[in-house]
Parts: sequence; structure tokens; C-alpha cells
Amino acid sequence: EAQVTQNPRYLITVTGKKLTVTCSQNMNHEYMSWYRQDPGLGLRQIYYSMNVEVTDKGDVPEGYKVSRKEKRNFPLILESPSPNQTSLYFCASSLSLNTGELFFGEGSRLTVL
Amino acid sequence: KNQVEQSPQSLIILEGKNCTLQCNYTVSPFSNLRWYKQDTGRGPVSLTIMTFSENTKSNGRYTATLDADTKQSSLHITASQLSDSASYICVVSALTGGGNKLTFGTGTQLKVEL
Repeated sequence: EAQVTQNPRYLITVTGKKLTVTCSQNMNHEYMSWYRQDPGLGLRQIYYSMNVEVTDKGDVPEGYKVSRKEKRNFPLILESPSPNQTSLYFCASSLSLNTGELFFGEGSRLTVL
Repeated sequence: KNQVEQSPQSLIILEGKNCTLQCNYTVSPFSNLRWYKQDTGRGPVSLTIMTFSENTKSNGRYTATLDADTKQSSLHITASQLSDSASYICVVSALTGGGNKLTFGTGTQLKVEL
């Protein structure tokens, strides 16, 4: 089954404790991206990757890091989480943004205390 | 600045009724426009993708229209069902030098009641 898998789905952590949210897709997609969703603000792009070893900042990259060492994986790293990073995070992938569908994961709800 | 505005912000309709959601955009250069359905707490799921040359596209009871001249799109839902209760997100793609850049609307929250 074609899917984008995120882990963990739910996480409560404390300020400053490094964490990684993993994202994996099984569709051999070149494009992958991370979004955060906050009430009233919609989905905002954090980082995206057009292919292996190619990553670029989205609209709200501050406080986040990513890496793309393999085509299927695109982890999101919070080196020193802060309460304003409490949000619902989505990973997505696509074969091509020209006409290809963008597949989203089920989301990871992160709470930073 | 590229922007996507959706209206109404929220909508309540009775089961079996039709409804239309609106999306206005100022994204350029335009590449494509997408409508997504997002159930509460779940990831968005694609309904339609429309390119510049497409005026109408259907997916079951969902029909999207696109007027590239006025930069407007609508999503029409026919014979609504309780399961249509969700947020509907309009996403417009701009073709930039670095590839496609997506701009998301904040969504229309639809509630279908008995």
C-alpha cells in the first residue's frame, strides 16, 4: 500500500530536549516536505527536498533541521524544542509537483512544555 | 506576495443539500490548483488537481471549477453526506526557477448535520 509514515504520532517533551520526527515513503517519490499546522494559520511549509541530498527552506524553517540521505526518508529534527513549536506536523511526498498528487502522512502531534 | 483566500471560513449544511466553497488566489506564475479534504486529526487527502487548461474536474460528488482569468476556483459538493464533514483546503502551485512552490489556503470547515 502506497503511504507516507510518520513517527511518533504523538509526543510530549520538554523545552530543550532534542527530538526527531521520522518520515518514510514507499512510493519512490523524489519530492518530500514538512509542514506544521496551527489553528487559523493553515499548513505552513517548514522544509522541502527535491531529491536526495537536496533540501531547501520553506516559509517557517527557524528552529528545525532536516536531512535527505536516502530517497525514502526525510526526518525532521528539533535540536532545542521550544513551546512555540507545539503544533501538528505533516510530512508529504510527491513524484512531481507539476501534476503529481501530494500524499500526506497521518500527522505527528507535538507538545513542548 | 502569493496568497490563497478561501470562503466561507466555516459552513453548516443539512445532509443531502449541495454547497459550494470558494478559493481566490494571487499566485503567479500559475502552475496548478488542488483541492484537499482533511478530516479532523488526519492528513489531507487529494480531491482534484487542475492545470491552467482545465475548467472543470470531478471526483464523485465533488466538482471543482477553475477560472484562470479571474483567478478563482470553486468546489461544489453534491448531495452532501455526514462523512463530508471536514476541512477543505485549496492549494495553488506557482512555477518558480527552483520548481513548483505551493501556497495553502487556511481552509473551509464544513459541517454536515442531520
